Parts: sequence; structure tokens; C-alpha cells
Amino acid sequence: AQTVTQSQPEMSVQEAETVTLSCTYDTSESNYYLFWYKQPPSRQMILVIRQEAYKQQNATENRFSVNFQKAAKSFSLKISDSQLGDTAMYFCAFMKKSNDMRFGAGTRLTVKP
Amino acid sequence: SAVISQKPSRDICQRGTSLTIQCQVDSQVTMMFWYRQQPGQSLTLIATANQGSEATYESGFVIDKFPISRPNLTFSTLTVSNMSPEDSSIYLCSVDEGQGHREQYFGPGTRLTVT
Repeated sequence: AQTVTQSQPEMSVQEAETVTLSCTYDTSESNYYLFWYKQPPSRQMILVIRQEAYKQQNATENRFSVNFQKAAKSFSLKISDSQLGDTAMYFCAFMKKSNDMRFGAGTRLTVKP
Repeated sequence: SAVISQKPSRDICQRGTSLTIQCQVDSQVTMMFWYRQQPGQSLTLIATANQGSEATYESGFVIDKFPISRPNLTFSTLTVSNMSPEDSSIYLCSVDEGQGHREQYFGPGTRLTVT
């Protein structure tokens, strides 16, 4: 079974600073997908960024980027120039080709003014 | 991305009753999913709902407790049956738009409280 581990239950960062959220996963699959979702207090799950395992290049979306280390089974999220609106729960997720998505326990990020 | 709505957004129900949650998508999608998020917890997949076939349930979830309908490519319902306080959770539907995107978009969720 695939497992996703987020070892940081809570983190905080000053506005405009950079923060990195960690995620590791366990799988025997060679082809899969990794995601970071954001869940603000409104509870809406918002897709932040997506990475395909067969792509070596790290995905980026504006201020969000990932460090994907396939051999180490690590998938961290870097948020640059943090904004107050980035305050939310962040979930790392793993998905096999079959659409079976598994989520980590989440990291609660607080951006401080 | 698809726009997904859920009804109701929240409800308070009595023990032993049932609640049906609706999920509506503004475009046709092949795969729809139902998740449960217990208070302060992560998301757990309940089942995958494909149009024209029975839903596929994950370990720990059964059809008698969580019957699902998928009458067409834009709509699905999840019923939480014979509710107990342990069923108090947020229930979310999601869709995979297909076309090789391989990513899921979520509805706003339904917050259920069972008293």
C-alpha cells in the first residue's frame, strides 16, 4: 500500500519569506503522480501543484515550486514570497495511474504579518 | 478546471437518520470520487463512482452504509445511512476531468454533524 508522510504538523513563516513543506511517500510503482493541495479555512481543496514521476524537471507554479527526489521518494513544496492568503492546511497526495489518491496528514501553515 | 457544487453545504442530523449529499459538475466527467475528512484529519477515499457501473468502495466502507448513485456524467449522490456521531465529518466529492490530466478537483464539501 502507498503511504504519504508529512512530518511537520505545523509551520509558520513571516510574510514575504520562503518556507518549505516536507513530504515523503512509499511506493513500489515507477509511474505515478504527486500533488500538493491547499485547504484554507473555507475547507475548499485547491490544487496547488502537480508533478508526474516520469518527469525529472521540478514543477513550478508562480510562487510555488517542488523539489522532487524520486530515488529518495521525497516531494517538498517551496513557497516563495509568502502571503497572508497562503495560510492554510497543505496536503501532499500520491496517485497511481488508477486514480487511487492517497493523502498525507497535512501541514498547517501560518503566515505571520 | 471543472466547477463543482455540493448540496447541502452543511447539515445537523439526528442519530439513526440518513442524509443524501449531491455533487453537481458543470461538465461531463468520467470519474467522480467521494472522500471523508474527519475533524482535524486528512482525506480518506470512500469510493469511486463511475457512470453506468456500481461504485467501487475502499476498504472499511460498504455500500449499505454509503450508497452512491451516478445517474449521468455530471451528477452523483452519496448517502450516509443510519448515522451515528462517528459519521460527523466533511464529505467531499472530486472529479478527474480525464483527457490525460490525471488530477482531481474538489467540491466545497458538506459539513455533517450528527447529534
